[in-house]
Amino acid sequence: EIVMTQSPATLSVSPGERATLSCRASQSVSSKLAWYQQKAGQAPRLLIYGASARATGIPARFSGSGSGTEFTLTISSLQSEDFAVYYCQQYNYWPVFGQGTKLEIK
Amino acid sequence: EVQLVESGGGLVQPGGSLRLSCAASGFTFNKFAMSWVRQAPGKGLEWVSGISSSGGSTYQPDSVKGRFTISRDNSKNTLFLQMNSLRAEDTAVYYCAKTPYDTSSYSYMDVWGKGTTVTVSS
Repeated sequence: EIVMTQSPATLSVSPGERATLSCRASQSVSSKLAWYQQKAGQAPRLLIYGASARATGIPARFSGSGSGTEFTLTISSLQSEDFAVYYCQQYNYWPVFGQGTKLEIK
Repeated sequence: EVQLVESGGGLVQPGGSLRLSCAASGFTFNKFAMSWVRQAPGKGLEWVSGISSSGGSTYQPDSVKGRFTISRDNSKNTLFLQMNSLRAEDTAVYYCAKTPYDTSSYSYMDVWGKGTTVTVSS
């Protein structure tokens, strides 16, 4: 079974700054990687699929990169509404999620 | 507007059963594969079942295989999850989610419902 590992577990960043979140797969998942945002008490929302394609309605400040086993989600200039938990998910095999990165206000 | 609305959650004793439903609207339901994803309290996300657009193929991870059954009624735009032999570790919010594909269980989820809470406790 593929294991998805996200780092760091918690990331403290000031509004307006850049945030970089990492996701590593235990074996290659090609570019079959999605990112989700989840705010407290809400359902997850799709941000990125295919490692780098933004989902409908997602602002351009969100970008994804990587392939194989190493992936990155970058938020270029943090807005107040971006502070949330972020999950990566591979779909090259049965869907498996990472454990999440909590992005908090510094 | 694309919408998924789950129902059927509640409190059930260990060993009991529960059937979740998900009413879909705003898209052509019978053209897309669907999934159930759960989230235990304070924990991450776990995919628990998938079904093709026609309902002819279903998929579950080993953690629920033989206990959970996913099905769909395309005439009523509704997805189901029958959960039997429930355990305390099945306690979670259960989300219904749409995939962008018609057959593949290897997929991401592009639309999510708000979830329904299942609590397994005596």
